[in-house]
Amino acid sequence: GAGVSQSPSNKVTEKGKDVELRCDPISGHTALYWYRQSLGQGLEFLIYFQGNSAPDKSGLPSDRFSAERTGGSVSTLTIQRTQQEDSAVYLCASSHPGQGKGYTFGSGTRLTVV
Amino acid sequence: AQSVSQHNHHVILSEAASLELGCNYSYGGTVNLFWYVQYPGQHLQLLLKYFSGDPLVKGIKGFEAEFIKSKFSFNLRKPSVQWSDTAEYFCAVNTTSGTYKYIFGTGTRLKVLA
Repeated sequence: GAGVSQSPSNKVTEKGKDVELRCDPISGHTALYWYRQSLGQGLEFLIYFQGNSAPDKSGLPSDRFSAERTGGSVSTLTIQRTQQEDSAVYLCASSHPGQGKGYTFGSGTRLTVV
Repeated sequence: AQSVSQHNHHVILSEAASLELGCNYSYGGTVNLFWYVQYPGQHLQLLLKYFSGDPLVKGIKGFEAEFIKSKFSFNLRKPSVQWSDTAEYFCAVNTTSGTYKYIFGTGTRLKVLA
């Protein structure tokens, strides 16, 4: 597609449930990033995928968070046993590899844990 | 650790007023600098970027930013704002020392009164 596609756009879940967030990057973009945007906060880096290299998971806030990228394209961010503090907008971005390449962001998934 | 500071969290201006949003970063090496904008209900979009060369960078919609290395700053400016500039603005830094992820500021919410 022309842009980065994320689904669902909104997700309301009960505390303790698992959720999966999907990101479909721009075709040809080998780099994929997940960020989290909480109210009043900046964008918090979560995880980075580049081609077939091992992902950088250094930003994942706890072991309840995991992500995978299948076939170098679509990525899924999974949050297990959701907590209220997980409520945020989860943003996916993709780019060409290399330093200083601007990201193209998706519209995000607004997650609300009740 | 690298960080980005945006000191103005909320700015309210009347149309035709001049705009300057502050951005300071902490990193002693070479950096790439970005401003992203998020219009209401839309995804983050790249406004402008600095890699090297002329420290005065011009972006879309009449925005510009000046990189002042000695001040570790990359302030965003626009001589005359419009109501349509109402948005949230994020400054981001990407170092050139082998990292790839961006460090974002907490954002500045700009409201332009018609």
